Amino acid sequence: DAGVTQSPTHLIKTRGQQVTLRCSPKSGHDTVSWYQQALGQGPQFIFQYYEEEERQRGNFPDRFSGHQFPNYSSELNVNALLLGDSALYLCASSLWGADYEQYFGPGTRLTVT
Amino acid sequence: GQQLNQSPQSMFIQEGEDVSMNCTSSSIFNTWLWYKQDPGEGPVLLIALYKAGELTSNGRLTAQFGITRKDSFLNISASIPSDVGIYFCAGKETSGSRLTFGEGTQLTVNP
Repeated sequence: DAGVTQSPTHLIKTRGQQVTLRCSPKSGHDTVSWYQQALGQGPQFIFQYYEEEERQRGNFPDRFSGHQFPNYSSELNVNALLLGDSALYLCASSLWGADYEQYFGPGTRLTVT
Repeated sequence: GQQLNQSPQSMFIQEGEDVSMNCTSSSIFNTWLWYKQDPGEGPVLLIALYKAGELTSNGRLTAQFGITRKDSFLNISASIPSDVGIYFCAGKETSGSRLTFGEGTQLTVNP
C-alpha cells in the first residue's frame, strides 16, 4: 500500500522564479492538503483540494496556487519566489469526510537564493 | 488566528524514563492529533483523539483529549533511543479540515 509521495525531494530556486511541487496521495485517499514548514516551526496550512477544487485556504498570498487532477494527485505552485518561501513543503492526504486523520509525505525542501 | 502552545520546547532524558508533553489552545478543537517528525521526514501520525475526555494508547504512548477541548497531553513510558525526534500536537477545528500545529517538542534520549 503506497503512502504519500512527493517530488522533487530538494529544489533550489532564485528569487522571482516560479516553482511547481507534486504530490500523490495515499492509496484510497481523495483529499490533499498542503503545508509549509519553516525551520524550527510546526507546519502551517496552505490549502486543501477535493474533487479538483480548493476547499479551504490558510493565510497565504495568491502567489501560492494549486491544482488537483482526476487521479487525486496534486500540484502546488509558487510564483515570484521570495527568500522567505524557503521551507519544507508537506503534502498530506486524507479521505473526504474523514479528514481528521491526515497522513504526510516526506516533503520537498525548497531553498530560495 | 488560532494558536497552539506546546511545552516543553525540548527535553533531555535518560533511556527508560517517562516523558510528558502538552498542548493548550485559545480555542476549542474537535479533534486532537499527535505526530512525530524525524529529521528530513514528514510528520508521522501517532495518536488521534476525537472526544473530550478520551484517553487513547498506542503501545508505550498515551494521549488524552482535555475536558475543555482546549488541551491535550502525550505521555511516553519507558523511553528508548528511537523515541528521539520532534513531537507535534495538532488540532482540527469544528468546521473545516485545517490542522493547526504546535511549535513542537524536541526529545533527546540518552542511552
